Amino acid sequence: SQQGEEDPQALSIQEGENATMNCSYKTSINNLQWYRQNSGRGLVHLILIRSNEREKHSGRLRVTLDTSKKSSSLLITASRAADTASYFCATGGSGGYNKLIFGAGTRLAVHP
Amino acid sequence: GAVVSQHPSRVICKSGTSVKIECRSLDFQATTMFWYRQFPKQSLMLMATSNEGSKATYEQGVEKDKFLINHASLTLSTLTVTSAHPEDSSFYICSARDVAGPGNTIYFGEGSWLTVV
Repeated sequence: SQQGEEDPQALSIQEGENATMNCSYKTSINNLQWYRQNSGRGLVHLILIRSNEREKHSGRLRVTLDTSKKSSSLLITASRAADTASYFCATGGSGGYNKLIFGAGTRLAVHP
Repeated sequence: GAVVSQHPSRVICKSGTSVKIECRSLDFQATTMFWYRQFPKQSLMLMATSNEGSKATYEQGVEKDKFLINHASLTLSTLTVTSAHPEDSSFYICSARDVAGPGNTIYFGEGSWLTVV
């Protein structure tokens, strides 16, 4: 089962621009994670934000979490062509960190 | 860092046959692994939770007799697609967490492409 929707479904930008992706979820969560997937490959973990955190940074990535709205955003600053990939949010429920439920994902294309 | 290996990365099988996909944690022990399925341009759908030494827990709508899961050791879980049909063609990904490692990062395998002809 999917947890929620991601917005936008697809995003096309130029190198150097910022990319913002949003994720909404339905149930209460323990944490929310963002993953990246290159076409036809496995997933790479980007960042985890706990339910008691509101914002987290990692390099060019900035993640926010609003538990009252059950939403999160991922901002990639100064995008590069190599950032082209699909990005998924995934939520871990109160049962633990193990079982992840994924959002629909955003396909990001960064053009040189 | 922790690595999860899947094998085979690609497999083609004939309709009606069974195919087995392996998921191994290479440098850590995983009491729990997870199997996901992904259709092209779609998200990952959790199929089942694989528990070492016990039966797998399947998500609603997933046929346990069709997707057999065995977690015989702390480093290996297998998914067997039985009596495969073309609609079973998909990308299958496993994940595992290192319970002894720092943080709560879950490691994913590289996935296995299954094509049923």
